[in-house]
Amino acid sequence: DTAVSQTPKYLVTQMGNDKSIKCEQNLGHDTMYWYKQDSKKFLKIMFSYNNKELIINETVPNRFSPKSPDKAHLNLHINSLELGDSAVYFCASRTDEGRVSFGPGTRLLVL
Amino acid sequence: KQEVTQIPAALSVPEGENLVLNCSFTDSAIYNLQWFRQDPGKGLTSLLLIQSSQREQTSGRLNASLDKSSGRSTLYIAASQPGDSATYLCAVLREYGNKLVFGAGTILRVKS
Repeated sequence: DTAVSQTPKYLVTQMGNDKSIKCEQNLGHDTMYWYKQDSKKFLKIMFSYNNKELIINETVPNRFSPKSPDKAHLNLHINSLELGDSAVYFCASRTDEGRVSFGPGTRLLVL
Repeated sequence: KQEVTQIPAALSVPEGENLVLNCSFTDSAIYNLQWFRQDPGKGLTSLLLIQSSQREQTSGRLNASLDKSSGRSTLYIAASQPGDSATYLCAVLREYGNKLVFGAGTILRVKS
């Protein structure tokens, strides 16, 4: 059973397009995250939600909009994609004791 | 602002060696510290979680220690194997709030 799943695994698109990445966790966790891993492999937090409410919004362009329809899902919509958005995007969820589990990642390439 | 530093950035060792990876953080107000492993092109696998009140955790050949007051953690890998080759990431969860802050990682290569 996959704990944190993301779709799609790969996403290749043209500049200017709008795309979404979906994330689901079946762990019953209240807290979920989106992280971006850049070309230098550094992981940076983008957003955090707790029980469908936004708690952390780092300095992310407002072209990125997270949406949490329920506690188990945290989707990421990106408008007007730019070359610099190319990265690997990881979804994660967290237990009450603070253990964070990551999804497999979505590799986004903007051409 | 919490900053996490990992040393060394890369490490290459012959199979069988014991090795230590270092992690330091600037703000000691942490909830816990977690070590992850990332294989090329893959996601993150949680290795060890140390709560702020704990000093160390062990899993198989891995041992992680935490000195919260000095802002340091080490990951000790005993009898390294080629299969241990990966990037090892240290991350601290802040005491207040949900933010998990990562170091840049140590790229480990174990040669057979």
